[in-house]
Amino acid sequence: GAGVSQSPSNKVTEKGKDVELRCDPISGHTALYWYRQSLGQGLEFLIYFQGNSAPDKSGLPSDRFSAERTGGSVSTLTIQRTQQEDSAVYLCASSFPSTGGRYGYTFGSGTRLTVV
Amino acid sequence: GQQLNQSPQSMFIQEGEDVSMNCTSSSIFNTWLWYKQEPGEGPVLLIALYKAGELTSNGRLTAQFGITRKDSFLNISASIPSDVGIYFCAGQLSGNQFYFGTGTSLTVIP
Repeated sequence: GAGVSQSPSNKVTEKGKDVELRCDPISGHTALYWYRQSLGQGLEFLIYFQGNSAPDKSGLPSDRFSAERTGGSVSTLTIQRTQQEDSAVYLCASSFPSTGGRYGYTFGSGTRLTVV
Repeated sequence: GQQLNQSPQSMFIQEGEDVSMNCTSSSIFNTWLWYKQEPGEGPVLLIALYKAGELTSNGRLTAQFGITRKDSFLNISASIPSDVGIYFCAGQLSGNQFYFGTGTSLTVIP
């Protein structure tokens, strides 16, 4: 697609339920990133995928968070047993690996997650 | 993770005024980026800087890569209402990962 697509755009879930957030990166972008943005806060790095390499999971806040990227394209971020502090906007971004350092990332519009 | 201190946290200015914001770090970065985020959208890249001392403009926006490589500055001249949003700096140490500042929220009063 022309841009990074994220779905759903909004998600309200009950505490304790699992949620899945989807990211469809720009075609040809082999690097994919997930960030979390809490209200009034900056962007918190969660996880980074690069091609077939093992993902950098150093930013995942707990073992309730996991992500996968199938076929080197679409990625799914899963949050198990959601807690109220998980409420935030989850942003996905993608880039060409060789140019990520030159032109930065292209971000999607995010998924706003609200845990009630 | 790396800490990027961005200031000011928020600004309320009159239309037509100039705006200055900055970002500092304890680490030396190879690349600095400035993004703008409007409500309900993801951040959009404004300016990228690659060398210490580099000064780059994009319309009314001018950004500089600090000489020490630990800071960067963004200036907006003659602000207009559509400049409203949150401005983020981002720095790159190596590889493809960028670290983001906490953002500067800009409100322009017509």
